[in-house]
Amino acid sequence: EAAVTQSPRSKVAVTGGKVTLSCHQTNNHDYMYWYRQDTGHGLRLIHYSYVADSTEKGDIPDGYKASRPSQENFSLILELASLSQTAVYFCASSGDWGPNTGQLYFGEGSKLTVL
Amino acid sequence: SQLAEENLWALSVHEGESVTVNCSYKTSITALQWYRQKSGEGPAQLILIRSNEREKRNGRLRATLDTSSQSSSLSITATRCEDTAVYFCATAGTGSKLSFGKGAKLTVSP
Repeated sequence: EAAVTQSPRSKVAVTGGKVTLSCHQTNNHDYMYWYRQDTGHGLRLIHYSYVADSTEKGDIPDGYKASRPSQENFSLILELASLSQTAVYFCASSGDWGPNTGQLYFGEGSKLTVL
Repeated sequence: SQLAEENLWALSVHEGESVTVNCSYKTSITALQWYRQKSGEGPAQLILIRSNEREKRNGRLRATLDTSSQSSSLSITATRCEDTAVYFCATAGTGSKLSFGKGAKLTVSP
């Protein structure tokens, strides 16, 4: 069964600290995504990748970096965490691009609290 | 701004009743997807409906698509408590990345 796993599932960070959220997929999918979820805003795309060693900016990339060292792994990096980055972060993978070609498989989310 | 948006933030029904969530979108699309997110989980796809389809079913779920009015609906019949979740529509223009609506929170009570 398709599987996307995220770690950590929950993290408390201090303002100005570095945070790394990790994602691992066993779907053999080329596309991977990082979304942020806030109440009232739904899911917003931060970064995505369609091949290892390459990442692309999504709709809200400011303050975030991404890394795709292999097809299976995709990380989201907050170099200087800020209070406004408190949110739930979701990783997802898909076998193809765009709305017509299939579904996104999401992980269970990583709840980040920045104090 | 978001490409797709559900029309109501919160809905509440009793078990056994039917409910419909509506979604409007802003551009020409090739397909639209509906997702459900239960508390503490990531979203999961329910239905994908293509622009040349008017209706798609998945068990108790029925999605419609009206490209002339740029709208879609997701109906759930015989609701159960486990249908309690946030429902999202998501779509994109040709070759573009998927954009999610803000979600509609459905509560089904016994």
